[in-house]
Amino acid sequence: ETGVTQSPTHLIKTRGQQVTLRCSSQSGHNTVSWYQQALGQGPQFIFQYYREEENGRGNFPPRFSGLQFPNYSSELNVNALELDDSALYLCASSSGTGLSYGYTFGSGTRLTVV
Amino acid sequence: GENVEQHPSTLSVQEGDSAVIKCTYSDSASNYFPWYKQELGKRPQLIIDIRSNVGEKKDQRIAVTLNKTAKHFSLHITETQPEDSAVYFCAASTNYGQNFVFGPGTRLSVLP
Repeated sequence: ETGVTQSPTHLIKTRGQQVTLRCSSQSGHNTVSWYQQALGQGPQFIFQYYREEENGRGNFPPRFSGLQFPNYSSELNVNALELDDSALYLCASSSGTGLSYGYTFGSGTRLTVV
Repeated sequence: GENVEQHPSTLSVQEGDSAVIKCTYSDSASNYFPWYKQELGKRPQLIIDIRSNVGEKKDQRIAVTLNKTAKHFSLHITETQPEDSAVYFCAASTNYGQNFVFGPGTRLSVLP
């Protein structure tokens, strides 16, 4: 396995609810990026955390928020869930923010909003 | 912002034949172009990448070419095998790998 672990693997939520997804980065990696992959589409960048600070954000509304902890694990929080939030949420870790660093995806959390 | 297009959306080839997937990007500042393979229900896995200062890179049966002037890059798979069947995504990065803009994917089927 890659060393990047995500939990839970599957989740069903009701529209309007809130959800927290978790990611443990690979050992030695201090950067975590989150992506949303809708069915049949490519992943879309949500945001990146580097050393506990947000280090870039894609075109997602403020109800998508995140945290990175001192051990570099990370959470993605989504408030006021909408049906269109149903997707595979992927976490990727790397040992820096630059080109020289590898980019390892976790297996993802499949979120279904009903 | 960056926009990445990918063609074709589906591709079927006979085992042993070659497969070519093409991507175009819009932002001339993009400087890193990875390719990912995603099997059904699994995470994307990096198979090859290329940086803007290189025109071609090869790894066994897989090669990638980059034309910065035309802003397009291509994945070439030779001697295809059934286990090459998957969805392939190209991506472009404009900020030294901080975030990737992915193409919509190509579903490759290798027929025995």
